[in-house]
Amino acid sequence: EIVMTQSPATLSVSPGERATLSCRASQSVSSNLAWYQQKPGQAPRLLIYGASTRATGIPARFSGSGSGTEFTLTISSLQSEDFAVYYCQQYNNWWTFGQGTKVEIK
Amino acid sequence: EVQLVESGGGLVKPGGSLRLSCAASGFTFSSYSMNWVRQAPGKGLEWVSSISSSSSYIYYADSVKGRFTISRDNAKNSLYLQMNSLRAEDTAVYYCASGLAGYYFDYWGQGTLVTVSS
Repeated sequence: EIVMTQSPATLSVSPGERATLSCRASQSVSSNLAWYQQKPGQAPRLLIYGASTRATGIPARFSGSGSGTEFTLTISSLQSEDFAVYYCQQYNNWWTFGQGTKVEIK
Repeated sequence: EVQLVESGGGLVKPGGSLRLSCAASGFTFSSYSMNWVRQAPGKGLEWVSSISSSSSYIYYADSVKGRFTISRDNAKNSLYLQMNSLRAEDTAVYYCASGLAGYYFDYWGQGTLVTVSS
């Protein structure tokens, strides 16, 4: 099983600042990496697939990068609606999620 | 508009059974793979099971293998998860999710809560 490790567990950021979230795979997943956003009481929402392609309707302030085992989700200027939990997921070999990074207001 | 609506959750005793359903609309259901993902209270996301468009390929997480059965009825645009021998650790919100454009999960339902408790 491929283990996905996200860091940090919690990220405290002020509105308007940049947020950088990391995701590491225990073995290469090529570019088969997705990012999801989940707000309290809501279902997850797809943000990024293919490591760097934004899903339909996702604002340009969200960007993804990386390949192999190291990946990054960057939110260039945090808006109030971006405070949420973010999960990475590999779909190269079955499916596994990271444990999540909570982005909270500083 | 893609819509996925889960149903069938509830309270069940340990060792009991439950069948979840997911009604799909807004896309050609029979052409795409479907998935179940769960989330225990206050915890992260866990992939549970996936099924290909024609049911030819079926996959399960080790945590549910031998106890859960995924199936679909393309004529009814519906996905199912039969859950047997339920345990307390199966308590979670269960989401169905589609894979319309690839192996990632592009659309999600609102989830249905399964509580396993005596």
